[in-house]
Amino acid sequence: QKEVEQDPGPLSVPEGAIVSLNCTYSNSAFQYFMWYRQYSRKGPELLMYTYSSGNKEDGRFTAQVDKSSKYISLFIRDSQPSDSATYLCAMSGRDNYGQNFVFGPGTRLSVLP
Amino acid sequence: SAVISQKPSRDICQRGTSLTIQCQVDSQVTMMFWYRQQPGQSLTLIATANQGSEATYESGFVIDKFPISRPNLTFSTLTVSNMSPEDSSIYLCSARQYTDTQYFGPGTRLTVL
Repeated sequence: QKEVEQDPGPLSVPEGAIVSLNCTYSNSAFQYFMWYRQYSRKGPELLMYTYSSGNKEDGRFTAQVDKSSKYISLFIRDSQPSDSATYLCAMSGRDNYGQNFVFGPGTRLSVLP
Repeated sequence: SAVISQKPSRDICQRGTSLTIQCQVDSQVTMMFWYRQQPGQSLTLIATANQGSEATYESGFVIDKFPISRPNLTFSTLTVSNMSPEDSSIYLCSARQYTDTQYFGPGTRLTVL
């Protein structure tokens, strides 16, 4: 089992739709959960950062973490064509082997006007 | 957050030559990393750049091929040595501050002919 799994997409939605992006993970030591947005030919940009379980909202973006299910989500409301990008989940924590920081493979999202 | 710049932003190189990529962070950071990203793929960690000591390389990456320097807390270089077309990729520098989040530079797009 991979440490972090994420549907690579591509995911195409019409403008204005609610988008749900998800990741599952296997390492219970993960405590910090992040979502990055990467536009084509650019470096990843930190979008959301959450510690432990719970929800965090920032404008049209909501991040959810369910540590009991080892499942994290990013919701995008009222999606816009400018949201078209690849979204990578990432998580980190300290286990017996030290600091562990892992990225998901990314989901490619297209928001169609 | 940390703002990270990379030079060069892109380069086209001949087989057998070497290229050094520079990474500058606008504030002192605890850790710096180098990643590679093939087109359409996720991030692959090359190494952790340690300040004042040898870098820590991931499996499949060796110092002779990817020598790394980190002379202080805000600067690092990655050299891609004896390049071949298989080294064509985007190389990304990232940095971690006090929290367990990482910030990325814009990347260096390398094409080896």
